[in-house]
Amino acid sequence: GQQLNQSPQSMFIQEGEDVSMNCTSSSIFNTWLWYKQDPGEGPVLLIALYKAGELTSNGRLTAQFGITRKDSFLNISASIPSDVGIYFCAARDQTGANNLFFGTGTRLTVIP
Amino acid sequence: GAGVSQSPRYKVAKRGQDVALRCDPISGHVSLFWYQQALGQGPEFLTYFQNEAQLDKSGLPSDRFFAERPEGSVSTLKIQRTQQEDSAVYLCASSQGEEQFFGPGTRLTVL
Repeated sequence: GQQLNQSPQSMFIQEGEDVSMNCTSSSIFNTWLWYKQDPGEGPVLLIALYKAGELTSNGRLTAQFGITRKDSFLNISASIPSDVGIYFCAARDQTGANNLFFGTGTRLTVIP
Repeated sequence: GAGVSQSPRYKVAKRGQDVALRCDPISGHVSLFWYQQALGQGPEFLTYFQNEAQLDKSGLPSDRFFAERPEGSVSTLKIQRTQQEDSAVYLCASSQGEEQFFGPGTRLTVL
C-alpha cells in the first residue's frame, strides 16, 4: 500500500517552544490532513489541505501542502502542555477513493 | 451532539474465538469506514460503506474479516477464528463530506 514517512518519530520540547514535523511520500496525493490522537481516543482532524502549495493556519497550528504533492509539514508555535499527544499526517490519493493513508505518527511530549 | 461511538471499548478473546465489534456513526452520515491501528502505528484502512453498500473492502487482511451495515447506519466488523496478529485498535469513522470523524476505537487483545 501507499506509505507516508513521518518524522520525527518523537519529540521532547519545553513549553513555549515551536515544533515542526513533516510527512513525505513517493506517491502523489490530492489531499493532505493532519490529525491529533490522544490516548484511548480516535484521531481528531486539525488541518486539511486541498491544493498544492496551500498554507493553512488554525490557531497556533500551520500546515503546508508541498508543491510536488508528495509532502506536507505541520508547525505548532508556542507549545503548551495540552499539545501532548500523537500527531498523524494522512493523505487521500488521486483515485477518488475516500479512504485515508496515515503516517506512522509523531509522539510529542511538552515539558512544563 | 453525539459523535461516533464504538462498543465494546475493550475486548479480550482467546485465539480461535469469533468477535463482533460495533460502530454507531453520527446520525445521517452516509459514509462509514473501518481502520485497524496496530500498536505504535497509524491507522490502516480496512473497508468503506456508502449507506448499506460496501464499496471497498480492499483493506480487509483475510477472509476471516467481514463487515456489514445492513440498514445504512450501525455497522459491525466481525473477525472469525481470531489470531494473535489481529490484536489492535479497530477504529470506525463516519463522514458526510470530506472530513472523517473517528470513534474512540475498540482495543482487541487476542491471547
